[in-house]
Amino acid sequence: DQQVKQNSPSLSVQEGRISILNCDYTNSMFDYFLWYKKYPAEGPTFLISISSIKDKNEDGRFTVFLNKSAKHLSLHIVPSQPGDSAVYFCAASYGSNYKLTFGKGTLLTVNP
Amino acid sequence: GAGVSQSPSNKVTEKGKDVELRCDPISGHTALYWYRQRLGQGLEFLIYFQGNSAPDKSGLPSDRFSAERTGESVSTLTIQRTQQEDSAVYLCASSLGGTRGGYGYTFGSGTRLTVV
Repeated sequence: DQQVKQNSPSLSVQEGRISILNCDYTNSMFDYFLWYKKYPAEGPTFLISISSIKDKNEDGRFTVFLNKSAKHLSLHIVPSQPGDSAVYFCAASYGSNYKLTFGKGTLLTVNP
Repeated sequence: GAGVSQSPSNKVTEKGKDVELRCDPISGHTALYWYRQRLGQGLEFLIYFQGNSAPDKSGLPSDRFSAERTGESVSTLTIQRTQQEDSAVYLCASSLGGTRGGYGYTFGSGTRLTVV
């Protein structure tokens, strides 16, 4: 039973345009959500997070939106750059539980 | 060290052999986690260490898998009698404390294990 779902295995966008990566979750206990970026042969690196008490968090070109009623979050990258090409993982946790539950990832390709 | 270090970076082993994967966490990080990523899948939790004790081993897939940690330092994940389904990237992460999942995590680059 996959509790965090990233239904798009891949996404291709043009440099300078907006990239929107989506994530759905089923466990209503999740209250902390993170996006990680992963380059080949490297570990995931933290990108941005959001607590369930917020509906938006912004950091530079990256914004995460959370819709609790729909159990949906999205990551917006504006403007997209070729260096953003990587696999993006959505992850979630709850309370003081240390476990992270990950989606399968979305491969983003930003074309020059 | 500056980051989480894992070794080896790649390991090819024959089915039935035992393997040991090593993780050196960031100095001072008391919490250490092992995850694995099989092809086309997300990361799956394996085990969590707080100091050198493992309060949660629930993610270990079978009794062929074991892990230990020396003090608040190096951890070793051992897989006995490897099977082809064990092929995956094994990732280690550490954090200052085992609190909210993901908060302050730093991941290593992983060990890619291939069982042939």
